[in-house]
Amino acid sequence: ETGVTQTPRHLVMGMTNKKSLKCEQHLGHNAMYWYKQSAKKPLELMFVYSLEERVENNSVPSRFSPECPNSSHLFLHLHTLQPEDSALYLCASSQDYADSSYNEQFFGPGTRLTVL
Amino acid sequence: GQNIDQPTEMTATEGAIVQINCTYQTSGFNGLFWYQQHAGEAPTFLSYNVLDGLEEKGRFSSFLSRSKGYSYLLLKELQMKDSASYLCAVSDSNYQLIWGAGTKLIIKP
Repeated sequence: ETGVTQTPRHLVMGMTNKKSLKCEQHLGHNAMYWYKQSAKKPLELMFVYSLEERVENNSVPSRFSPECPNSSHLFLHLHTLQPEDSALYLCASSQDYADSSYNEQFFGPGTRLTVL
Repeated sequence: GQNIDQPTEMTATEGAIVQINCTYQTSGFNGLFWYQQHAGEAPTFLSYNVLDGLEEKGRFSSFLSRSKGYSYLLLKELQMKDSASYLCAVSDSNYQLIWGAGTKLIIKP
C-alpha cells in the first residue's frame, strides 16, 4: 500500500449504531487530519494529530471521537450520529503540522457515510 | 472572518483553455494551494504559490497576486479527464489551511 488509505470506502449506519473509520498513512508523516466534506461546502477540519497528540478540535460534537494509536494510524469513532452527519470523511497527512508555509497535505479517498 | 471564494461550476470544451479564479480574505498569508478532486476520489495536489506571478507545470499554470488576494488556475488543451472539482486553499498566519468550496469543472466534447 502507498500513500493514504481509508476503510471502509462506504458506510451506511443507523442513528443508534457505533462504527469506526480507519485511516493509515504509509508516508512517514508526523501529522494526520480528519476532514468532513459536504456537497458544495468547503472542507471542514475536524481534528488534527501531530506526533500522536491531538492539537486541533474544531468544535466537533462529542458523537465523533478520534483516536491516534501511532503516527501511521488514525481512527474516527462514530456513535449516535444524526442524518446531517452524512458526508464524505477524508483523512489526510502531512510531513509536519503547521510549522512551515509549504505543508502539502496528502489525502485518502475518503469514506462516504450515510446516516439513516 | 476568513473567506475563500471560487465559482461553483464551470463548463468548457475539450481542447480549449479554462481559467478558474479564487479570491481570498484571510488572517495572514503563507501560500496558496490548488488541489484536483475527481468524483469519489482523494484530492490531489496540483500547485503551490507563495510569491506573486505565474507558475507553469505542463498544461496547468497557477497565478498569484497577493496584493489583490487573487489566484487563478489555468488549464490548457483540456481533456475529458480534466473533469473534476478544483479546490483552492490558503495557508493563513498560523499555517492553517482555509479551504474554498471547490469549482466543479465539466468538460464537453
